[in-house]
Amino acid sequence: DQQVKQNSPSLSVQEGRISILNCDYTNSMFDYFLWYKKYPAEGPTFLISISSIKDKNEDGRFTVFLNKSAKHLSLHIVPSQPGDSAVYFCAASSSRSGSDKLVFGKGMKLTVNP
Amino acid sequence: KAGVTQTPRYLIKTRGQQVTLSCSPISGHRSVSWYQQTPGQGLQFLFEYFSETQRNKGNFPGRFSGRQFSNSRSEMNVSTLELGDSALYLCASSLTVAGSTDTQYFGPGTRLTVL
Repeated sequence: DQQVKQNSPSLSVQEGRISILNCDYTNSMFDYFLWYKKYPAEGPTFLISISSIKDKNEDGRFTVFLNKSAKHLSLHIVPSQPGDSAVYFCAASSSRSGSDKLVFGKGMKLTVNP
Repeated sequence: KAGVTQTPRYLIKTRGQQVTLSCSPISGHRSVSWYQQTPGQGLQFLFEYFSETQRNKGNFPGRFSGRQFSNSRSEMNVSTLELGDSALYLCASSLTVAGSTDTQYFGPGTRLTVL
């Protein structure tokens, strides 16, 4: 049972345009969400996070939106750059469950074309 | 500061063998988590160690085990290897327990191939 779902396996956008990566979750106890970026042959690197007390968090070109009622979050990258091409993982955790382990989605491959 | 290091980077084993993977966290980090990454399942949590104690465990069979040493270095062991164990094994470290406000830093992974 996938508690964190990234339903689109891949996305291709043109350089300079917006990339929107989506993530859905089923566990209502999740209260912290993170995005990781992974290049081939490297481990995932932390990108941006959001707590459930917020609905938006922005860091430079990256903005994460959280819709708690829909159990949905999205990562916006504006403007997209070729160096953003990577696999993006959405992850979630629950501070109330007594277990802080991160639950990851399956990842989505973003390709930004020059 | 040096990042998370994992050894070996690549490993080829045959079914039935056992394997030990090693992870050295970032200096000062006390929590080490292990993940398995496969194309079909994405990143799946194996277990987390903090101060030499296993704090959390994912849904993996008992063939998967680990330990953490007093210097926070961690090892993961898989016994009686199966073909389905072929995956990228990632280690991540964080200052305290992995979770809501503490960023995890990942190593490059160990690519295990079981023949």
